[in-house]
Amino acid sequence: NAGVTQTPKFQVLKTGQSMTLQCAQDMNHNSMYWYRQDPGMGLRLIYYSASEGTTDKGEVPNGYNVSRLNKREFSLRLESAAPSQTSVYFCATGDRGRSQPQHFGDGTRLSIL
Amino acid sequence: EDKVVQSPLSLVVHEGDTVTLNCSYEVTNFRSLLWYKQEKKAPTFLFMLTSSGIEKKSGRLSSILDKKELFSILNITATQTGDSAIYLCAVERYGGATNKLIFGTGTLLAVQP
Repeated sequence: NAGVTQTPKFQVLKTGQSMTLQCAQDMNHNSMYWYRQDPGMGLRLIYYSASEGTTDKGEVPNGYNVSRLNKREFSLRLESAAPSQTSVYFCATGDRGRSQPQHFGDGTRLSIL
Repeated sequence: EDKVVQSPLSLVVHEGDTVTLNCSYEVTNFRSLLWYKQEKKAPTFLFMLTSSGIEKKSGRLSSILDKKELFSILNITATQTGDSAIYLCAVERYGGATNKLIFGTGTLLAVQP
């Protein structure tokens, strides 16, 4: 099935630990995005990749790094997790050239103690 | 600063009622306005609106955009319990190598039997 797959679905970390959230798509979209969703804040863009080999900061990039491994995969890394990074993280894909709406994965629920 | 404001923040209705959800925006380089429905997991796409005054319709849901007054509404008629969800409004703006979405905080709709 076509779509956006995120792993893991849930994760609990201790403050200071690191981890990588994975995202893979089979929609052949050029652009990929990472958002976080917090109560009362809506979805906020962390980083995005307009195309393979490029990445750029979004609205809330501090404390995160990303890697666009190839056209299909875009990972988000927390180097030293902080409680303020407790959130639900969504990966999305899009293709401006085809006027396609962004399509979202099911999310990763991350808790940092 | 770009912003998207949704109202109401939440509402509770009974099955069969009609609801109207509102979205106003102030965004530079506007390209389109999108509505998403979010149940437990991923936001799922409902509508993309680019032109004023043209209603988009899908079953009991419809939406329209007013680019002069900078707002959109999402109507749901004959509501069902399955319509219970968070409804997200997002504005797509042109920007560099890719287009970005700016989200409102969402409207939480609860439909009671």
